[in-house]
Amino acid sequence: GEDVEQSLFLSVREGDSSVINCTYTDSSSTYLYWYKQEPGAGLQLLTYIFSNMDMKQDQRLTVLLNKKDKHLSLRIADTQTGDSAIYFCAEVLLSGGYNKLIFGAGTRLAVHP
Amino acid sequence: EAGVTQFPSHSVIEKGQTVTLRCDPISGHDNLYWYRRVMGKEIKFLLHFVKESKQDESGMPNNRFLAERTGGTYSTLKVQPAELEDSGVYFCASSQFDGGELFFGEGSRLTVL
Repeated sequence: GEDVEQSLFLSVREGDSSVINCTYTDSSSTYLYWYKQEPGAGLQLLTYIFSNMDMKQDQRLTVLLNKKDKHLSLRIADTQTGDSAIYFCAEVLLSGGYNKLIFGAGTRLAVHP
Repeated sequence: EAGVTQFPSHSVIEKGQTVTLRCDPISGHDNLYWYRRVMGKEIKFLLHFVKESKQDESGMPNNRFLAERTGGTYSTLKVQPAELEDSGVYFCASSQFDGGELFFGEGSRLTVL
């Protein structure tokens, strides 16, 4: 089935690390994505990881992938108020020869002083 | 370069009425996608156009929804007649090629009373 699960809400203090978790269902997914949606804006691709990787680091962002458990996480170091947004995890499914993104419900990250 | 634009940003209609949402993809992007997020749940795939052809419409909820992309440029999504459960945010996205990065619009919020 097509199911991507995320916790719905995370609250952190400014300067702390945030960890957003996601589980997905399709072990054949080639890519896994993290999208960010700021208030009043569309979805913006934040980062992605190939399925043959365990970890990807990009400045303050660290993505960890556990293929055995089908678990993906996004760690934001030194979280800032500008990081407050909804973060969506997505997996890629091959459908009819084309790629289709399957999203989770999104995790709302609230950063407080 | 203009991004993906959607119109209207917000529409409020009564049950039984008709609404047409429009999406202008990034120029030159053959792939156009419609997604929907209902009541804070997951972002669900509706359909995928490749140029003017419907590649995958497996996510369309029922025959009250009609999507078109005449000429392979902009796309419309018509809901007729609208029901209460159609309320949500409708996102459009485009990509230059299959598997390429999806660029999202800001979404059209539909409220059915």
